[in-house]
Amino acid sequence: AQTVTQSQPEMSVQEAETVTLSCTYDTSESDYYLFWYKQPPSRQMILVIRQEAYKQQNATENRFSVNFQKAAKSFSLKISDSQLGDAAMYFCAYSQTGANNLFFGTGTRLTVIP
Amino acid sequence: GAGVSQSPRYKVAKRGQDVALRCDPISGHVSLFWYQQALGQGPEFLTYFQNEAQLDKSGLPSDRFFAERPEGSVSTLKIQRTQQEDSAVYLCASSFFLTPAGGEVGNQPQHFGDGTRLSIL
Repeated sequence: AQTVTQSQPEMSVQEAETVTLSCTYDTSESDYYLFWYKQPPSRQMILVIRQEAYKQQNATENRFSVNFQKAAKSFSLKISDSQLGDAAMYFCAYSQTGANNLFFGTGTRLTVIP
Repeated sequence: GAGVSQSPRYKVAKRGQDVALRCDPISGHVSLFWYQQALGQGPEFLTYFQNEAQLDKSGLPSDRFFAERPEGSVSTLKIQRTQQEDSAVYLCASSFFLTPAGGEVGNQPQHFGDGTRLSIL
């Protein structure tokens, strides 16, 4: 069974600084997808970044980048130059290739300090 | 539409009542998903539709939960004889399912609605 673990229930970062959110997962598959979703207090889940397991290059989207370590089954999110609008719950999620449902972690609540 | 629309935004019901939650996906999105998000937890998969076909309902917690998408667009999640443990936020998501020649492409990013917060008294 696939499981996704986020070991940091809460994190805080000073505005303009960099923060890294951790995620590990467990799967017996070799091909899959990993995602980071952001959920602000308004509740709408927004895709931040997506990584395909067969690609060795780490995904990057503007200030957001991942450190994908396939052998270690680790998928951390780095947020650079943190902004007040980055404050939210962040969920790591896994999807098996060819399947459609997402398996989510329990989330990390990020606070950005002005 | 511009995004996934869910209604109602909030629903309060007494234990034992039936409820119906609506999801209107992004126009043109073939795939539709329902998730249940308990307080302080990540969303958990309930069921998946491709057009009007319910291809996976493995996440539905009991036979009191029923979902349909009769015309391949709007979907309704129905919960019968509600219980207090059904209290949660119910999220709907849709995605665009590509079928290029020679194969299928899944795992497209899912676009989520605002959710329906269900409270059972």
